[in-house]
Amino acid sequence: KQEVTQIPAALSVPEGENLVLNCSFTDSAIYNLQWFRQDPGKGLTSLLLIQSSQREQTSGRLNASLDKSSGRSTLYIAASQPGDSATYLCAVSGGGANSKLTFGKGITLSVRP
Amino acid sequence: EAEVAQSPRYKITEKSQAVAFWCDPISGHATLYWYRQILGQGPELLVQFQDESVVDDSQLPKDRFSAERLKGVDSTLKIQPAELGDSAMYLCASSLEGGLLLDTQYFGPGTRLTVL
Repeated sequence: KQEVTQIPAALSVPEGENLVLNCSFTDSAIYNLQWFRQDPGKGLTSLLLIQSSQREQTSGRLNASLDKSSGRSTLYIAASQPGDSATYLCAVSGGGANSKLTFGKGITLSVRP
Repeated sequence: EAEVAQSPRYKITEKSQAVAFWCDPISGHATLYWYRQILGQGPELLVQFQDESVVDDSQLPKDRFSAERLKGVDSTLKIQPAELGDSAMYLCASSLEGGLLLDTQYFGPGTRLTVL
């Protein structure tokens, strides 16, 4: 059974800092990996999707990397801003008929002005 | 920009009552998912539809939960009777066709259920 782990559960940083959020998964036979953002009491917003054959994806100040063989992904946020404060969830898909996402518990990020 | 619609946004009910949630996926999306997210946890899949057919309902508590997508478009998730442990956020997501390599899942705003 696939398990996704995100540590630490919470992180507080000063504005302007570059930061890395970590995600690990137990079964390397994934189809793709997605990073989501969730604001309190809201739904999920997709940030980046990485195919299993890719190493990284970039969108603006965000960069996500994937090392399938070691079961790890990182989300890099450059020049963090208070508006980046949210919970960041990592999820993996098995693909095909098993396209459901298996999520980690998320990392709650607070960016202090 | 097209979005996944869900209603109601909030629902408060007493235990043993029946509740129903509605989801309208992005137009043209064949795959629809219902997830449940308990506070402080990641979402967990309850049921997955491909068009009007159920693909995966292995985690759906079938003694009290039911889901349907009769015309392969919008979907309803029902709980009867509701229990205290059902208090959670219920999220609906859709994708163009589940299983594609680049198939992003798009999530709705969710329904926050509180069972008293």
